[in-house]
Amino acid sequence: ETGVTQSPTHLIKTRGQQVTLRCSSQSGHNTVSWYQQALGQGPQFIFQYYREEENGRGNFPPRFSGLQFPNYSSELNVNALELDDSALYLCASSLTQADTQYFGPGTRLTVL
Amino acid sequence: AQSVTQLDSQVPVFEEAPVELRCNYSSSVSVYLFWYVQYPNQGLQLLLKYLSGSTLVKGINGFEAEFNKSQTSFHLRKPSVHISDTAEYFCAVGIFGNEKLTFGTGTRLTIIP
Repeated sequence: ETGVTQSPTHLIKTRGQQVTLRCSSQSGHNTVSWYQQALGQGPQFIFQYYREEENGRGNFPPRFSGLQFPNYSSELNVNALELDDSALYLCASSLTQADTQYFGPGTRLTVL
Repeated sequence: AQSVTQLDSQVPVFEEAPVELRCNYSSSVSVYLFWYVQYPNQGLQLLLKYLSGSTLVKGINGFEAEFNKSQTSFHLRKPSVHISDTAEYFCAVGIFGNEKLTFGTGTRLTIIP
């Protein structure tokens, strides 16, 4: 059984650029959630996708958007990057919307 | 809205000593609870979870936690820690029917040889 994978592992961007982060969910899981973890903080919920539809969103601006594909993999897109977007971005997959979430290793984004 | 408080940001413990990491939550409805561990430069690994039933939950690596509804707590314990337990520990709460997890700010557990 393959766990949750994320790519890339590290990324450096400059202010104003756009970035796309990718996540492959665990086999059999149809739900993907994205979290932002700033340095020294706990993860903050960005949004969740269930069967290709957004299923809930945290307090993040519209420049944070996502997609889920028919194979249940997912993308997180962030436009107009700001310095405060520097963080570890975690993807988690689960069997259903409110089931146990299993996390990937994360993508470390640095915005200069 | 639910919230989680982890009162201790750092906990130093001697090797082979017992440890308790504290977690308190706030919610007006029934919750389910998790403890995750994060090793340096890695993602989160599930330690244990409470959904319903027995209030004492056993997890991996010898950890256990007890759900106390009256005190709205879910403290994590281990009777004897090892160097390999050095990590950041996060408590998280979810609400049935709601999709998101709310995390605490984490407790850094440092094991002293």
